[in-house]
Amino acid sequence: DAKTTQPNSMESNEEEPVHLPCNHSTISGTDYIHWYRQLPSQGPEYVIHGLTSNVNNRMASLAIAEDRKSSTLILHRATLRDAAVYYCILRSPSYNQGGKLIFGQGTELSVKP
Amino acid sequence: EAQVTQNPRYLITVTGKKLTVTCSQNMNHEYMSWYRQDPGLGLRQIYYSMNVEVTDKGDVPEGYKVSRKEKRNFPLILESPSPNQTSLYFCASSFGGSGNSNQPQHFGDGTRLSIL
Repeated sequence: DAKTTQPNSMESNEEEPVHLPCNHSTISGTDYIHWYRQLPSQGPEYVIHGLTSNVNNRMASLAIAEDRKSSTLILHRATLRDAAVYYCILRSPSYNQGGKLIFGQGTELSVKP
Repeated sequence: EAQVTQNPRYLITVTGKKLTVTCSQNMNHEYMSWYRQDPGLGLRQIYYSMNVEVTDKGDVPEGYKVSRKEKRNFPLILESPSPNQTSLYFCASSFGGSGNSNQPQHFGDGTRLSIL
């Protein structure tokens, strides 16, 4: 499975933008880039995903490098509720995947008031 | 409200006493899965199900059983629990019987099991 690399932790101030990076230099052409987050004492929560083009939804934006070897999750205005561990996950369309999400160590985001 | 519901949320029990953790989703999802989360090891898949009556092993299936008799329910059964099964368990579901890579997965809030 292709591997992702994320910083262990990041800090942000409330109401400022946050850019969470992810490196995936061994990504294959058919792998989707997904982001999930896990708030304290909760299950993982889907944030956003993309293949090649940048994506926006109500929670965040996903910027994907042209060579797809890296991506950045952008939270436009961090709130205290955004403090969580953020996981960048590659998903292969292979049937044998078993549908599992392969969670790495993730980036622990702390947000200061 | 669309959700994945796990019960119980917390359980302390003793070695060898059979237990079942229930998981129910109200989104008509074909795919369901169980993970366990342990410090330093992240989330690991235990079992998954592509649809009713179709289940398969994940990465750490030893000591667990599952069944999928109805689309909405996917219980996790520990027939003879042991202390190494003390963990935080999550159930997840999504559209797509193949665990379609383009579909987000929805997770429950977790079940914390302690086996003494």
